[in-house]
Amino acid sequence: EAGVAQSPRYKIIEKRQSVAFWCNPISGHATLYWYQQILGQGPKLLIQFQNNGVVDDSQLPKDRFSAERLKGVDSTLKIQPAKLEDSAVYLCASSRGQGYDDGYEQYFGPGTRLTVT
Amino acid sequence: AQSVTQLGSHVSVSEGALVLLRCNYSSSVPPYLFWYVQYPNQGLQLLLKYTSAATLVKGINGFEAEFKKSETSFHLTKPSAHMSDAAEYFCAVSLNDMRFGAGTRLTVKP
Repeated sequence: EAGVAQSPRYKIIEKRQSVAFWCNPISGHATLYWYQQILGQGPKLLIQFQNNGVVDDSQLPKDRFSAERLKGVDSTLKIQPAKLEDSAVYLCASSRGQGYDDGYEQYFGPGTRLTVT
Repeated sequence: AQSVTQLGSHVSVSEGALVLLRCNYSSSVPPYLFWYVQYPNQGLQLLLKYTSAATLVKGINGFEAEFKKSETSFHLTKPSAHMSDAAEYFCAVSLNDMRFGAGTRLTVKP
């Protein structure tokens, strides 16, 4: 079974530029998550999709971050314009289950390391 | 809201020694609990999870964790550390959402 795929693996941009990250979840997984992991911290959920609908985006800075999951499979996370504090690893994860109360674990991709200069 | 606290941001052990990584959770109802490992420049990999079936949970790579409701703890242990165990370890709790601890970096000395 192929794992969660993410690209690019690394990205360096200047502040105020835009950037996009792509994620392909494990086949058949209904739920997709985007996390931000700042150096020295645990992952923080940005947005959760169930199929192609948004379940939770309460921690997504909507003035600059956007995400979509067209057709309920692949997903794209965009930052526009980027700030210095957006430097982090952006992790995509997927799970078979549809909620947090079903005990389904999340499977993580390798992440995209973003550096904003 | 649920949360987890990992005690000790950095733990160092000698090869062959016991590994003990501490995690305490806060939740109003019994949650699902997870331990993930993260190797450099990689995503998180599930080590084990607690889903109320058994209080002692065995995971991959010789790791296990015990759920203690009275202590609200879910500490991760391994009897004998190996050099390949050096990584960042995250405890997580899942109820209404998934919350991760800040992580514990494990160093294994030869």
